[in-house]
Amino acid sequence: EDQVTQSPEALRLQEGESSSLNCSYTVSGLRGLFWYRQDPGKGPEFLFTLYSAGEEKEKERLKATLTKKESFLHITAPKPEDSATYLCAVQVPSGGYNKLIFGAGTRLAVHP
Amino acid sequence: DTEVTQTPKHLVMGMTNKKSLKCEQHMGHRAMYWYKQKAKKPPELMFVYSYEKLSINESVPSRFSPECPNSSLLNLHLHALQPEDSALYLCASGKNTGELFFGEGSRLTVL
Repeated sequence: EDQVTQSPEALRLQEGESSSLNCSYTVSGLRGLFWYRQDPGKGPEFLFTLYSAGEEKEKERLKATLTKKESFLHITAPKPEDSATYLCAVQVPSGGYNKLIFGAGTRLAVHP
Repeated sequence: DTEVTQTPKHLVMGMTNKKSLKCEQHMGHRAMYWYKQKAKKPPELMFVYSYEKLSINESVPSRFSPECPNSSLLNLHLHALQPEDSALYLCASGKNTGELFFGEGSRLTVL
């Protein structure tokens, strides 16, 4: 069965304190790994796509990396506005189509 | 501002009511999705439409009925719902690449 596990469930950081979020996956036929950010009461917002082991993507204070079994979202010198839930998702084949399976997310709180 | 628009933002309905959620996108995407999200849980896929045809139904109860009138519109018809169906219903569109654009959701409360 396809599974996506994110850790930690919640993370509290001081402003400027760098850290990493983990997404481990067990899927058959990975088509891509995606990171999304979700603010309370809103829909998820796309951040990154990673397709192959060794790939890295960066956007402002965020950097996503991918290995054969997991992905990391590194947050460098976070600011309070980075507070959100970060969702990892894997794209897998389903009956001739592709579908996304989301992990439970990491709730990040950055305090001044 | 999101380019996927969902209405209504909030909906309260009784178990005998019939209501509909609506979603509209003008990004030219040919895949549209309905997800259900409970508090502090990840979005769960319900339906996928590809080129206006239903391509994935994740064994959703028949009290939820999707409809895709054209490539820009997606509806979710609701009938005889249960209180446990209360959730945030998210619509998304994309190019079948996994990069989805989500609306802000419709928060449904079933009394």
